[in-house]
Amino acid sequence: DGGITQSPKYLFRKEGQNVTLSCEQNLNHDAMYWYRQDPGQGLRLIYYSQIVNDFQKGDIAEGYSVSREKKESFPLTVTSAQKNPTAFYLCASRALTSSYEQYFGPGTRLTVT
Amino acid sequence: LAKTTQPISMDSYEGQEVNITCSHNNIATNDYITWYQQFPSQGPRFIIQGYKTKVTNEVASLFIPADRKSSTLSLPRVSLSDTAVYYCLVGSSNTGKLIFGQGTTLQVKP
Repeated sequence: DGGITQSPKYLFRKEGQNVTLSCEQNLNHDAMYWYRQDPGQGLRLIYYSQIVNDFQKGDIAEGYSVSREKKESFPLTVTSAQKNPTAFYLCASRALTSSYEQYFGPGTRLTVT
Repeated sequence: LAKTTQPISMDSYEGQEVNITCSHNNIATNDYITWYQQFPSQGPRFIIQGYKTKVTNEVASLFIPADRKSSTLSLPRVSLSDTAVYYCLVGSSNTGKLIFGQGTTLQVKP
């Protein structure tokens, strides 16, 4: 089965702790993306990467960090510097040679208390 | 990146055709127009994309006028399962960066 996996589906953390969200794809896609979605809102781009070992900030990168050491993996760390980390986090990937179709994972719902 | 504007919500009835219009006044020459569908607590799903004129696939049609400053997603004969949020996006061919707006919440009634 080809696709994108995100784990875990639900994640609970205490305020002040860093937490890393996993995103893995076996679609052989070059580009990967992280989005945040708050209730009733659209998706906001956090970071994206078009090639291994390179990534760019999106619109709301403050308080987040990423790495792209492997083509298949693009983990997102939510640091304690992120003021309102509770949200639904979505990872996506895209083949740069094709259309703008992004394939999304099932998402991770992070709750920080 | 071009900002998009679309209605916040729309209502329809089963079996009707639904047209959702999106405006993107400052679309760039290389930008494509893409539409996604999202159900609650799921990731968005690609519906259709186009550059100009009309594009049709098995689920929808996309109409883009010559000036490309707007686009219309057409869903034929909607069913209850089409109740979802629909996003219009304009994407850069250089970066692949897509900006999601607030989307249009479509409610299909029986």
